[in-house]
Amino acid sequence: DAGVIQSPRHEVTEMGQEVTLRCKPISGHNSLFWYRQTMMRGLELLIYFNNNVPIDDSGMPEDRFSAKMPNASFSTLKIQPSEPRDSAVYFCASSKPSGRVVTGELFFGEGSRLTVL
Amino acid sequence: AQSVTQLDSQVPVFEEAPVELRCNYSSSVSVYLFWYVQYPNQGLQLLLKYLSGSTLVKGINGFEAEFNKSQTSFHLRKPSVHISDTAEYFCAVSDLGTNAGKSTFGDGTTLTVKP
Repeated sequence: DAGVIQSPRHEVTEMGQEVTLRCKPISGHNSLFWYRQTMMRGLELLIYFNNNVPIDDSGMPEDRFSAKMPNASFSTLKIQPSEPRDSAVYFCASSKPSGRVVTGELFFGEGSRLTVL
Repeated sequence: AQSVTQLDSQVPVFEEAPVELRCNYSSSVSVYLFWYVQYPNQGLQLLLKYLSGSTLVKGINGFEAEFNKSQTSFHLRKPSVHISDTAEYFCAVSDLGTNAGKSTFGDGTTLTVKP
């Protein structure tokens, strides 16, 4: 079975440019999460969706960040304009209930490593 | 609100020695608990989980963890480590309340297994 698929795996861009990261969750999973990982701050939850609806975006750093989930099989995280402090690895993860129980078990993609010069 | 504290940021150990990675959590409601492993340049993958039932849970690669409700701990153990166990390990908690499904992660413990 295909896991969570993220693209691009690596992105190098210049400050001020727009960056779009993409995620395809595991088929049948109804929750999708975007995390950011840095040495300084560890793993931070940016936003998560249930059934394509944003539930909690309190972790989104500022208005330069936006995320969408137009359908059950695709999500984007956009940074516009990008800044050097946005350099990090961005992970997408998906999950589904275990029967009728929402456990929070996550399936992660390989990550998108972003470098903003 | 829930939080997770991994008590050791780095744990060096020799090959074939036992290891324990410590994790404490706080939450005002009942929780589910997880350990994930991250190898270099990869995403996190589930090692094991506690949902209910027996407090001793076994996972992949010979790891196990014990849920201790009174001490709010979920320590990860392996009786004999291999070089290939070198990785970063994350403890996570997900509560059964209004934030069901939303996991909070610890800061991670880097396990380095030396020959």
